[in-house]
Amino acid sequence: DTAVSQTPKYLVTQMGNDKSIKCEQNLGHDTMYWYKQDSKKFLKIMFSYNNKELIINETVPNRFSPKSPDKAHLNLHINSLELGDSAVYFCASSPRGSSSYNEQFFGPGTRLTVL
Amino acid sequence: DAKTTQPPSMDCAEGRAANLPCNHSTISGNEYVYWYRQIHSQGPQYIIHGLKNNETNEMASLIITEDRKSSTLILPHATLRDTAVYYCIVRVGTNAGKSTFGDGTTLTVKP
Repeated sequence: DTAVSQTPKYLVTQMGNDKSIKCEQNLGHDTMYWYKQDSKKFLKIMFSYNNKELIINETVPNRFSPKSPDKAHLNLHINSLELGDSAVYFCASSPRGSSSYNEQFFGPGTRLTVL
Repeated sequence: DAKTTQPPSMDCAEGRAANLPCNHSTISGNEYVYWYRQIHSQGPQYIIHGLKNNETNEMASLIITEDRKSSTLILPHATLRDTAVYYCIVRVGTNAGKSTFGDGTTLTVKP
């Protein structure tokens, strides 16, 4: 069983389009995240949601809007895509409680290419 | 979150122990040391974490110096499948996800 799943795995689109990436976790975790990994392999936190509530928003353009319909899902919608948005986007989740709060489980990633 | 420094790359012979160092000289008292790895084209995978004491699990051991300014991840019997980028991160235990993974160490296990 896949613990953290993302769809699609690959996404190729034109500049200016709007696209969404979906993430689901079946681990019963309360917290979910979106990370962006650029071409230099630098993995950076974008958003974090705890029980459907936004708790981290790290200087991300407002073209990026996360949506959490329930605590098992955290989708990422991107408006007006730009060339610089090309990257691999990883979803992750973690359980609550002290240090285990940070035992994050990552999805397989979505490779976004903006042409 | 404290900054970490890791060597960019290391090689290890298959079957031998791989010892990956990490410096975190500005770590504060409530920050944990976490290790993740990322195998090519996959999402990062949690390995182990610790605060002060050495830790061991089925994947690896974590040795933290007494002053907590550095740590070493030990893979006791490296296999070819352990070839990956290994990230050392320090962060507050309750500050979930509020960190950026740095450059990491590319470990290449050779036959």
